[in-house]
Amino acid sequence: KNQVEQSPQSLIILEGKNCTLQCNYTVSPFSNLRWYKQDTGRGPVSLTIMTFSENTKSNGRYTATLDADTKQSSLHITASQLSDSASYICVVSARGSGGGADGLTFGKGTHLIIQP
Amino acid sequence: DTAVSQTPKYLVTQMGNDKSIKCEQNLGHDTMYWYKQDSKKFLKIMFSYNNKELIINETVPNRFSPKSPDKAHLNLHINSLELGDSAVYFCASSLALGLGEQYFGPGTRLTVT
Repeated sequence: KNQVEQSPQSLIILEGKNCTLQCNYTVSPFSNLRWYKQDTGRGPVSLTIMTFSENTKSNGRYTATLDADTKQSSLHITASQLSDSASYICVVSARGSGGGADGLTFGKGTHLIIQP
Repeated sequence: DTAVSQTPKYLVTQMGNDKSIKCEQNLGHDTMYWYKQDSKKFLKIMFSYNNKELIINETVPNRFSPKSPDKAHLNLHINSLELGDSAVYFCASSLALGLGEQYFGPGTRLTVT
């Protein structure tokens, strides 16, 4: 069964500090992995998308890594800001039999709170 | 110039009623989705439409029926609403199923009393 596990479930850090969120998956065959940021009361917004051949991808202060061998991904946030307070969701896409990707498996998210 | 829009933003209704939520995307995408996010903030995919064809139906009750008049619109109709249907419903679209970024709408908060 395809699964995506995220840790920690919630995290509180001080403004300016760095943090790393984890995502482990058992989705197979793997197509791509995405990280989304969801602010309270809003829809998720894509941060990064990584395919099998990509080990790291950055989007400003957000850096995602992918280890396809161990089926792990991390999202590192540098110099956190109050606006980083949100839920971060890991989503893994499985490749379909027709060659196109299908099947999205969502993690339950990490709720991040940045304190001043 | 909103990419994915949903109406209404809030919906309060009584058990047993029938209601619809509308979604439109102006991105020219082929695939649209409906998600349900419950009180625990867990996002679950309900349906996916690719060029007006249903691709995924994650075993949601048949009281939920998606309707896509064209590839820019995916509406969600819910019959005989139940208390457990209370949640935030998100519409999203992407270039193709599972490929590329998904763009989410602002959500519709449904409250069934």
